[in-house]
Amino acid sequence: GESVGLHLPTLSVQEGDNSIINCAYSNSASDYFIWYKQESGKGPQFIIDIRSNMDKRQGQRVTVLLNKTVKHLSLQIAATQPGDSAVYFCAENTGNQFYFGTGTSLTVIP
Amino acid sequence: GAVVSQHPSWVICKSGTSVKIECRSLDFQATTMFWYRQFPKQSLMLMATSNEGSKATYEQGVEKDKFLINHASLTLSTLTVTSAHPEDSSFYICSAGEGQGSGEQYFGPGTRLTVT
Repeated sequence: GESVGLHLPTLSVQEGDNSIINCAYSNSASDYFIWYKQESGKGPQFIIDIRSNMDKRQGQRVTVLLNKTVKHLSLQIAATQPGDSAVYFCAENTGNQFYFGTGTSLTVIP
Repeated sequence: GAVVSQHPSWVICKSGTSVKIECRSLDFQATTMFWYRQFPKQSLMLMATSNEGSKATYEQGVEKDKFLINHASLTLSTLTVTSAHPEDSSFYICSAGEGQGSGEQYFGPGTRLTVT
């Protein structure tokens, strides 16, 4: 597979600040990317997606940026709230399969 | 949105026994489902692609005789962990999409397996 199981990096932000979570993907042929949020003991929850023919996509309070040159994705969360505390994963679609990045644990400080 | 369920949500079994985990797409049909494994504080690792009516495709390093996958209908895939050992204890998650090819995947809530 293309994902590697490593211990999660962490990010702490103050409530109300903006958060930026980064992800490096591995396959230059990947054409579709998704950001997921996972709370403890639960399955991943879809946040936002982007196809490789785009470099930016905005949702409600979230923005995904895609830099295909350096195989890098970022997720920006505006006005971070305590409910945003979770682990965030990017996933890349290669062929018909999805591979997950390492993930980042976000903690929002009230 | 589309809903994927898993059953059971948590199972504890003795070493040497087999455990079956079900993944169901509740309001859509899924010709392809995916099974992932997740250790604490780690990412999801794709185990296999479950194809309705045909054999599953396993990722490198995943023992197909250990993790039996059956995708008997368009709404149900099962993962059976055979002769479970404590090192098989993990969080198992399935996902399904509404079409083939790249597209949004809907994830089940996961099944926590504890082997004693």
